[in-house]
Amino acid sequence: AQTVTQSQPEMSVQEAETVTLSCTYDTSESNYYLFWYKQPPSRQMILVIRQEAYKQQNATENRFSVNFQKAAKSFSLKISDSQLGDTAMYFCAFMKHLRNYGGSQGNLIFGKGTKLSVKP
Amino acid sequence: SQTIHQWPATLVQPVGSPLSLECTVEGTSNPNLYWYRQAAGRGLQLLFYSVGIGQISSEVPQNLSASRPQDRQFILSSKKLLLSDSGFYLCAWSATGNTIYFGEGSWLTVV
Repeated sequence: AQTVTQSQPEMSVQEAETVTLSCTYDTSESNYYLFWYKQPPSRQMILVIRQEAYKQQNATENRFSVNFQKAAKSFSLKISDSQLGDTAMYFCAFMKHLRNYGGSQGNLIFGKGTKLSVKP
Repeated sequence: SQTIHQWPATLVQPVGSPLSLECTVEGTSNPNLYWYRQAAGRGLQLLFYSVGIGQISSEVPQNLSASRPQDRQFILSSKKLLLSDSGFYLCAWSATGNTIYFGEGSWLTVV
């Protein structure tokens, strides 16, 4: 079974600085997807960034980037130029790829989350 | 662009009462649809998914059920709620099955 571990329950960062959130996972699958989701106080789960395991290049979305180390099964999120609106719970998630339909039935395996506070 | 809406946003229901949460997706056809639940202090758990009208797969046995009467409509139901059904319920969709987008969520408190 797949597991996702986020070892930092809480983190804080000063506005405009950079912070890195850690995530490790365990799987025997070779083809899968990794995600970072953000859950602000409104509780809506918002997709931040997505990485396909077969791609060696790290995904980037504006101020958000990942460091994907497949051999180490590590998937960290770096937030640059932190903003007050980045304050939220951040979840790392894993989804295995299924051959049929070219995707998955949507069984995301989530970590327990990291609560990030951006301080002015 | 695609949007997803679910309602009601919050509800308080007595034990033994029925439940109906509704979700609709706009701007896409034949999406995969999902119901997730987030218990307090925990990540999300997949409850049901659907790849088409009338096609429902259950991931966790429970007293909840799901239905998909139309292509972009997904309903979560219960005939008799339990205290343990309390939580935050999220509807979600995907076009290809490999990226999931979530709705605003519904807070359910069973008293």
